[in-house]
Amino acid sequence: TQLLEQSPQFLSIQEGENLTVYCNSSSVFSSLQWYRQEPGEGPVLLVTVVTGGEVKKLKRLTFQFGDARKDSSLHITAAQPGDTGLYLCAGYSGAGSYQLTFGKGTKLSVIP
Amino acid sequence: DTGVSQDPRHKITKRGQNVTFRCDPISEHNRLYWYRQTLGQGPEFLTYFQNEAQLEKSRLLSDRFSAERPKGSFSTLEIQRTEQGDSAMYLCASSLTPPPEAFFGQGTRLTVV
Repeated sequence: TQLLEQSPQFLSIQEGENLTVYCNSSSVFSSLQWYRQEPGEGPVLLVTVVTGGEVKKLKRLTFQFGDARKDSSLHITAAQPGDTGLYLCAGYSGAGSYQLTFGKGTKLSVIP
Repeated sequence: DTGVSQDPRHKITKRGQNVTFRCDPISEHNRLYWYRQTLGQGPEFLTYFQNEAQLEKSRLLSDRFSAERPKGSFSTLEIQRTEQGDSAMYLCASSLTPPPEAFFGQGTRLTVV
């Protein structure tokens, strides 16, 4: 069974601080997705990374896929209260895979 | 809005009742997925369709769970004889073939009392 471990589980920071959250596995994934989920809502796709070593930027968010495609990180610069939410990573195990495996998420609170 | 749409958003039911949820995927997406999310966990895969064919259903939680996608467009998820342990958020997602991008709906929050 492929598992995705996310750390930290909880993170509370002040507005304007930087932060990094991690998504790790012992297994290789063909792609990884990052989602943000707010209470009572479905996950919203932020980014997909496919190539080992790939870096993608989305405004203040920087996503990196590890060279071996077993891990990923999300870095947020100058966090804002609107960044508050549950950040989930999810991956497909192979090119023909149909099933996303999710981590448990990192719950981020940005205090004004 | 052309995103994934789920109905109802919330459902409260008594133990032992049957419930049915509906999902309308993004119109050009031929794959449709159902996931379940319980408190403190990430979504858990249940089943998926490619067009009208249900290609994977072994992950449905029990034989009380069933899903259909009769015309390859919208889908329904039915839970018969609900139990308190069925209380969860039920999420629908859709994608093109092949993935990777899967887009989720807002979910149906089921509470069994």
